[in-house]
This record gives sequence, C-alpha cells and structure tokens, in this order.
Amino acid sequence: SQTIHQWPATLVQPVGSPLSLECTVEGTSNPNLYWYRQAAGRGLQLLFYSVGIGQISSEVPQNLSASRPQDRQFILSSKKLLLSDSGFYLCAWGGGQETQYFGPGTRLLVL
Amino acid sequence: GENVEQHPSTLSVQEGDSAVIKCTYSDSASNYFPWYKQELGKRPQLIIDIRSNVGEKKDQRIAVTLNKTAKHFSLHITETQPEDSAVYFCAASKSAGANNLFFGTGTRLTVIP
Repeated sequence: SQTIHQWPATLVQPVGSPLSLECTVEGTSNPNLYWYRQAAGRGLQLLFYSVGIGQISSEVPQNLSASRPQDRQFILSSKKLLLSDSGFYLCAWGGGQETQYFGPGTRLLVL
Repeated sequence: GENVEQHPSTLSVQEGDSAVIKCTYSDSASNYFPWYKQELGKRPQLIIDIRSNVGEKKDQRIAVTLNKTAKHFSLHITETQPEDSAVYFCAASKSAGANNLFFGTGTRLTVIP
C-alpha cells in the first residue's frame, strides 16, 4: 500500500532563515505531487504541483520554491522566511486519477 | 479557473440529528467531487467521493448527492455522533493534466452530545 511521509513534523524558525521541508511517497510510481499551505483555521491553498521529476508548477507567487529531484520526493524551500509563511504545510499525492491523499503535515511557526 | 463555494462555514447539531453541507462549483467540466474530514491538528482524510456519472453515493451514515445541472453537491451525515465533529472540505476536479483539486473554504461541524 501507499504511504506518504513528511518531515519535520514541527518547526520553529526565525524570520529571514531558510526552509526545507521534505515529502516522500512509498508504494507508487510517477505520482502527481502537491504542496498545500493551511493558515490557522483556514482552508487549503495549493502552492505547487508536479507531474514528474523536475516538473514544477506554481499556483501563487511567493517566496517559496519547490523541487522534485526524484520520482517520489518533493521538497519545499525558502531562502528567507517571512512571518506570513507560518502555517500547516501539507504534501499530497495522486496516483494518476483525481483522488489526492495527504501526508501528516509540517507545522511551521516563523517568529 | 474553478471556484468552489461551501456553506455553512459553521454548523452545530445535536447528537443523533442530521447535518448537511453544501457546495457549488463554477466549471461545468469538473467531474470529480471528493469530501475530506480534518480533525484538529490532523491531515485531511478522504471520506467519500462522487463522479459526475453518478447522482448519489452512500457509505453507511454518509451520503453525497450531485446535481450537475445546477452545479452543486452536498454532504449528508445522518445520526451524527460526537466523533463526527471536525472541519469538512469539499473539492472539485476535472480529469485532465495534474488533476488539481479546488477546495471549498471548509465547514466546522460541532456535534453536541
């Protein structure tokens, strides 16, 4: 069966520091991968999606970037964090059909 | 692009009563409509989904209905229990490209014991 991992689970970072969040999927090949952000008490905002290695599409302008160095690895990065980057970051995978399954998430607090 | 609206934003029901959450979508090409449940501090979990070739789908106490003409779909929970308390999100997608899901803004359901 398929599983999705995210780490770290929680992160506290100062403003202006870099960020790297990692997501990996097991048990499937060539998945569609997605990064979402959820602000406290809010909905899900799609940040990036990828249909294959090296293929990244951005949904909203921001100071974040994403990379997909391997088939089942998706990384979210920032060179300099802003206060507004705080939130719950969720990675999701889709197996070629429409259904998406979410990872456990990373809770990021920027101080 | 697709726009999904969800109502109500909050809903309180007595245990044992039914709860209904409604969503509308704008893109007539959308053909897949999942519902997710998110408990506090947890990831969203898929609870039921429906495709546009079906008008209704049931899974125990949960049902989803779809009206393609009116472009709206609803989640129905019967005999609610305290563990149904969570935030529920609807979404819409069309089977093309990256199969991006467009989410509603969520409904916070509270079931009062």
